[in-house]
Amino acid sequence: DIQMTQSPSAMSASVGDRVTITCRASQGISNYLAWFQQKPGKVPKRLIYASSNLQSGVPSRFSGSGSGTEFTLTISSLQPEDFATYYCLQHNRYPWTFGQGTKVEIK
Amino acid sequence: QIQLVQSGAEVEKPGASVKVSCKASGYTFTSYDISWVRQAPGQGLEWMGWISAYNGNRHYAQKLQDRLIMTTDTSTNTAYMELRSLRSDDTAVYYCARSTTADFYYFMDVWGKGTSVTVSS
Repeated sequence: DIQMTQSPSAMSASVGDRVTITCRASQGISNYLAWFQQKPGKVPKRLIYASSNLQSGVPSRFSGSGSGTEFTLTISSLQPEDFATYYCLQHNRYPWTFGQGTKVEIK
Repeated sequence: QIQLVQSGAEVEKPGASVKVSCKASGYTFTSYDISWVRQAPGQGLEWMGWISAYNGNRHYAQKLQDRLIMTTDTSTNTAYMELRSLRSDDTAVYYCARSTTADFYYFMDVWGKGTSVTVSS
């Protein structure tokens, strides 16, 4: 199975901060990677597909990059509504696998 | 609008089975797949498998394939996920999501609200 390792697992940040979350795949997955945001008690919401494509309706402060084994999700200026847990998902090889999640908390 | 409406919460005993439904509306059901994802309390997301609503092709996570059955009913635009021989560690919220292996744009872009399944004696 392809392991998806996110870092950090948790972080504290302030409104206005630039936040970068990394997802590393244990083998190459091309650009078969999506990012999801999940708030407590809520449904996961797709932010990014195909590594770098922004979901319609998602603010442009979110961006994704990477290919192969290393990927990043960047929030250029953290807003109060962005405090949540973020997951990457690879769908290049079965079983599709999620990262363990990165919880972004208020500093 | 595009929606996936899931069935209500279930409480089952160990060893029993549960069947969760996911009714699609607002798009052509047979043009996409349905993926299922679960989340145990306080834990991360786990992909379970997907099924094509077009031809019934499916792919299950190996750890679940002996107990998992995914089906679709194109007459009602509904997908079903049945999990058998339930154990306590199957307690989770189960989500369905629209999916496709053909076009990243539609890959897991719409999700149901989730169905809570509790396994307890």
